[in-house]
Amino acid sequence: SAVISQKPSRDICQRGTSLTIQCQVDSQVTMMFWYRQQPGQSLTLIATANQGSEATYESGFVIDKFPISRPNLTFSTLTVSNMSPEDSSIYLCSVTGGRVHGYTFGSGTRLTVV
Amino acid sequence: GQQVMQIPQYQHVQEGEDFTTYCNSSTTLSNIQWYKQRPGGHPVFLIQLVKSGEVKKQKRLTFQFGEAKKNSSLHITATQTTDVGTYFCAGQAGGTSYGKLTFGQGTILTVHP
Repeated sequence: SAVISQKPSRDICQRGTSLTIQCQVDSQVTMMFWYRQQPGQSLTLIATANQGSEATYESGFVIDKFPISRPNLTFSTLTVSNMSPEDSSIYLCSVTGGRVHGYTFGSGTRLTVV
Repeated sequence: GQQVMQIPQYQHVQEGEDFTTYCNSSTTLSNIQWYKQRPGGHPVFLIQLVKSGEVKKQKRLTFQFGEAKKNSSLHITATQTTDVGTYFCAGQAGGTSYGKLTFGQGTILTVHP
């Protein structure tokens, strides 16, 4: 199965600033996704990261707030822009395809906005 | 949009008791997957069910996919303290939703020794 390196693992940020989260996979994958999870809650899909083109966002999420890049088959970034305390959450990348059976998740980024 | 409902939200059992969580989708699924998330961890893939009426076993875990491909269950026999965590089902529809997973709310399992 693929190994995902997600960075940073946690951060405390000032409101109004932006944070970029990186997701690096050790093998090529077909699809990459970004999720948000409040502690004790389920996972909510933010967007599908498309290689070489604009991400596909789910209802309630927009590109200006959550710009996503995916320059190749093994790497993606999610930026949380102009942060507010409501953005405090755990952000997870997920991949499938290639060597991945099912979906593999990164270890998550715990974001606190103060 | 597609919704996946999962019950119960919480389950407390004594070690050795059985445990079952149920999942129901508002739409027919192409497949359903199950994940386990340990406290403080990330979801870990357990299994994928694709065929109508499919039943799969992994040691003490039994997974079922309904005939209509809209519901599923996970049953754990003789729970152990290592089974503690949140169990999520995640449904995948076909067509334009290809690749996207819709997660249930999860069942938090506590096992008392």
